[in-house]
Amino acid sequence: KQEVTQIPAALSVPEGENLVLNCSFTDSAIYNLQWFRQDPGKGLTSLLLIQSSQREQTSGRLNASLDKSSGRSTLYIAASQPGDSATYLCAVRDRSGGGADGLTFGKGTHLIIQP
Amino acid sequence: NAGVTQTPKFRILKIGQSMTLQCTQDMNHNYMYWYRQDPGMGLKLIYYSVGAGITDKGEVPNGYNVSRSTTEDFPLRLELAAPSQTSVYFCASSYQGAGGFYNEQFFGPGTRLTVL
Repeated sequence: KQEVTQIPAALSVPEGENLVLNCSFTDSAIYNLQWFRQDPGKGLTSLLLIQSSQREQTSGRLNASLDKSSGRSTLYIAASQPGDSATYLCAVRDRSGGGADGLTFGKGTHLIIQP
Repeated sequence: NAGVTQTPKFRILKIGQSMTLQCTQDMNHNYMYWYRQDPGMGLKLIYYSVGAGITDKGEVPNGYNVSRSTTEDFPLRLELAAPSQTSVYFCASSYQGAGGFYNEQFFGPGTRLTVL
């Protein structure tokens, strides 16, 4: 069964710093990996989608990488801002054949950017 | 486009009551999903649908039912509410075309359900 782990569980940094959030998964037979942002009491906002054949994706100050063979992904946030404060979720779509056709989520990294 | 919409936003149920959580998407997506999110836990897949008339169980389907009569709507039914169903419920959708690539999932704002 696929398991997704996100480290750290929480992170607090001063504004302006560059930071990296980590995601690991146990089964490398994935279709894709998706990073989300969740604000308190809100739904999930899709940030980046990396297909299994891709190594990275970029959107503005965000860059996500994927190393499928080692079961790892990182989300790099450049020049962090207080508005980046949120919980960041990593999820994989896998080929494990469990019969359920959806995403397997990590528990998230709660990020606080101090002004 | 409104994207994925869910109603209601909040609901309190008594044990044994029934209710339907509504989900609608206007993006003409063929795939739709229901997830639940419990505090400190990752989202878990309840049910999903790959098209109108086709539904299947996810990881945690017990206590729930779904139907998909149209492309746009995917309601989730709780028949006999239990305290263990207290959670935040999210509906999502995506488009799966030919070619083997799964596209990104778009989520609704969620329904916060409390069963007392």
